[in-house]
Amino acid sequence: QVHLVQSGPEVKKPGASVKISCETSGYTFINYAIHWVRQAPGQSPEWMGWTNTDDGRTHYSQKFQGRVTITRDTFASTVYMQLNSLRSEDTAVYFCARAPGTMIRGGLDPWGQGTLVTVSS
Amino acid sequence: QSVLTQPPSASGTPGQRVTISCSGSRSNIGTNYVYWYQQLPGTAPNLLISRNNQRPSGVPDRFSGSKSGTSASLAISGLRSEDEADYYCASWDDSLSGHVFGSGTKVSVL
Repeated sequence: QVHLVQSGPEVKKPGASVKISCETSGYTFINYAIHWVRQAPGQSPEWMGWTNTDDGRTHYSQKFQGRVTITRDTFASTVYMQLNSLRSEDTAVYFCARAPGTMIRGGLDPWGQGTLVTVSS
Repeated sequence: QSVLTQPPSASGTPGQRVTISCSGSRSNIGTNYVYWYQQLPGTAPNLLISRNNQRPSGVPDRFSGSKSGTSASLAISGLRSEDEADYYCASWDDSLSGHVFGSGTKVSVL
């Protein structure tokens, strides 16, 4: 069975960085891209970017370009998302989600359980 | 502000049929597949409809999707109390080179 398990909640001060992990299991890691999506309280999901887990290529939403970095560890079947220069508006639940193979445009399934990041002074 | 527009709410009594609309543009729905996600309170979104009208394994046939031009819709027939959730449409946007999501529709079962 396919599982995506994320790291626990984080509380950060404005200006700090956060790095969230997404550990995958139940399938061949390098055969499926991983996306990151966030959802602020009461808001709809917002796509942040994706990584090709085979060669490490990444693409980020213009909104987060320069502040976000997605990396992967193929030996640990884990993907990481780091967001820098945090501000209060970054308070949200962050999700990783698997693409249908290497097709980055496809439906995302399954999703990790989500990681709450709270940015507060 | 979301790229895809949905009505904020929809409701019906048990057994009724509810339809949710999703409006986009040529760069997203007009040229790419539409996906629908169901999100129960406090949980991650779950893929409900793939490629405009395909139900992933395990999704009841009470859920159906369609697409026409730059719009799409999700229909829930035989509404049940467990269908109370937020529903989001999504698509790939060629101009943004990324996924875009709808504004979300909260479905209530009266």
